[in-house]
Amino acid sequence: EAQVTQNPRYLITVTGKKLTVTCSQNMNHEYMSWYRQDPGLGLRQIYYSMNVEVTDKGDVPEGYKVSRKEKRNFPLILESPSPNQTSLYFCASSPGAGPATNEKLFFGSGTQLSVL
Amino acid sequence: AQSVAQPEDQVNVAEGNPLTVKCTYSVSGNPYLFWYVQYPNRGLQFLLKYITGDNLVKGSYGFEAEFNKSQTSFHLKKPSALVSDSALYFCAVRAPGANAGKSTFGDGTTLTVKP
Repeated sequence: EAQVTQNPRYLITVTGKKLTVTCSQNMNHEYMSWYRQDPGLGLRQIYYSMNVEVTDKGDVPEGYKVSRKEKRNFPLILESPSPNQTSLYFCASSPGAGPATNEKLFFGSGTQLSVL
Repeated sequence: AQSVAQPEDQVNVAEGNPLTVKCTYSVSGNPYLFWYVQYPNRGLQFLLKYITGDNLVKGSYGFEAEFNKSQTSFHLKKPSALVSDSALYFCAVRAPGANAGKSTFGDGTTLTVKP
């Protein structure tokens, strides 16, 4: 089944303890992206990747890191989480990048992160 | 910078009545416009998109949207609402060119359809 898989689904951690949220897609998509969803603020883009080894900042990149060493995986890293990073996180992918940005996004099921 | 506005946080309609969820956008060049729906405790699902051509696009579950270039709008519509349409709806914009990787979403509109 074609899908975007995020893990974990729920995560509770403490301030300053490094964590990684994994994202994997099995559709051979070039484009991948991370978003955070907060009440009243919609989805805000954190980072995106147009292809392997190509990443760029979205609208709210502070406090986050990403890497794209292989096409299928796009982990989100919080080196030193803070309470203001408590949020619902979504990973998404789409077939194309560049001229093919008219492709729809496929979303993972989300990761609810709580930083105490 | 590109942006999307969904002016209504909440839309309430009675089952069987038509519904409209509003969206306006700002982007350089020709936009690619999308609607996504989020059901409780679920990820976002694609509904429909406008790329080029006919201003009225049809999508999943009987939804359609009308692109209006002069008003920079892309309102979501459905002729007859169902209770099962109750969900959170997001409008989004992408554009080709230098910012091709950017996906900008609106704040979302909660649609409630009452029996």
